[in-house]
Amino acid sequence: GIQVEQSPPDLILQEGANSTLRCNFSDSVNNLQWFHQNPWGQLINLFYIPSGTKQNGRLSATTVATERYSLLYISSSQTTDSGVYFCAAPSGTYKYIFGTGTRLKVLA
Amino acid sequence: DGGITQSPKYLFRKEGQNVTLSCEQNLNHDAMYWYRQDPGQGLRLIYYSQIVNDFQKGDIAEGYSVSREKKESFPLTVTSAQKNPTAFYLCASRRRLGQGAPQHQPQHFGDGTRLSIL
Repeated sequence: GIQVEQSPPDLILQEGANSTLRCNFSDSVNNLQWFHQNPWGQLINLFYIPSGTKQNGRLSATTVATERYSLLYISSSQTTDSGVYFCAAPSGTYKYIFGTGTRLKVLA
Repeated sequence: DGGITQSPKYLFRKEGQNVTLSCEQNLNHDAMYWYRQDPGQGLRLIYYSQIVNDFQKGDIAEGYSVSREKKESFPLTVTSAQKNPTAFYLCASRRRLGQGAPQHQPQHFGDGTRLSIL
């Protein structure tokens, strides 16, 4: 089945800094999701992005399906951005495979 | 507002005891999922259901059971056969667009249940 890898595994930023998180997948996909898991464990949908680029406020994501990767950009980071960021890619028709996540800590 | 409700938020299990985690959704989604998350780890799929009265094992189904008698509900039972049940359990659902296009819909998650052994 598909393999999903995320990098970096851990990231510490000063408030206001920008960052790029990467998600590589081993097979071609027709959709990809990015999530933010907050310190209380809630998984928040960030982007559903099969291809191209989407933006939502300070966050944007780009998926290049032909090259099998997706990037999540966080600009002007805030302490509330802290948590774990996951990407998930489909395996077959109904299953999703999650990466191991990038743990982000934003310092005030 | 539509959403996914998981209950309880915290659950404690004694040795040899079965416990059932509830997941209810009012999003009219066909597909539902159960994931397990261990501390510092990603999500692993336990079971999923594409439609009422049908479900499939995921990657770590041993020691767990599910039922799907209603579209809105997908309860997970952690049996005594699951030797290491302490984890965070997340339920998700996804809309199905009919034959051939179910993959083109995002997953939505509940807030999770934390299960611990007493």
